[in-house]
Amino acid sequence: GQNIDQPTEMTATEGAIVQINCTYQTSGFNGLFWYQQHAGEAPTFLSYNVLDGLEEKGRFSSFLSRSKGYSYLLLKELQMKDSASYLCAVKDSNYQLIWGAGTKLIIKP
Amino acid sequence: IAGITQAPTSQILAAGRRMTLRCTQDMRHNAMYWYRQDLGLGLRLIHYSNTAGTTGKGEVPDGYSVSRANTDDFPLTLASAVPSQTSVYFCASSDGAATTGELFFGEGSRLTVL
Repeated sequence: GQNIDQPTEMTATEGAIVQINCTYQTSGFNGLFWYQQHAGEAPTFLSYNVLDGLEEKGRFSSFLSRSKGYSYLLLKELQMKDSASYLCAVKDSNYQLIWGAGTKLIIKP
Repeated sequence: IAGITQAPTSQILAAGRRMTLRCTQDMRHNAMYWYRQDLGLGLRLIHYSNTAGTTGKGEVPDGYSVSRANTDDFPLTLASAVPSQTSVYFCASSDGAATTGELFFGEGSRLTVL
């Protein structure tokens, strides 16, 4: 079956760096997405990786290793507003998105 | 403001009743999707439409139906609601299933079936 694994919850301190991991097993691969979802709100797009390596976008970076079925989202200089759930999703061979359950990130002052 | 609009935002419904969740987008996106989100689970695809006039079944289609009469609208109907359909429902769109385009989500419809 298809599976996306990510930690359920993580806690970090304001101003610090946190890495959220995502491992996947899917039938085919056509890209990996990270979305941010604040409580009670809709998910919003953060990043997209289709080739191996690191994509940097401001305080957020996303890394992909297709051979290992692994990605991570790196958040630097954490701010209180970064408290949210982070969703990992993979497009399979049919271009359907398979979603992880999300990682709830708690930022403490 | 361009985007996706869902209605209603929240609804309490008696079991056995029929309910339609509305979704409208003004981005002229070809592909539209309905997901449900339940605590501890990832977003699960209910139905999708790659273009106006076509629809397809997702991971959890039973008890739901959709139509795509035009590009902008993609309503989701629960013919006879059951308590297990209590969930938050998100409509989303993208510029095409086979592209790398991101999904744009509506604000969600919180449905409680009693």
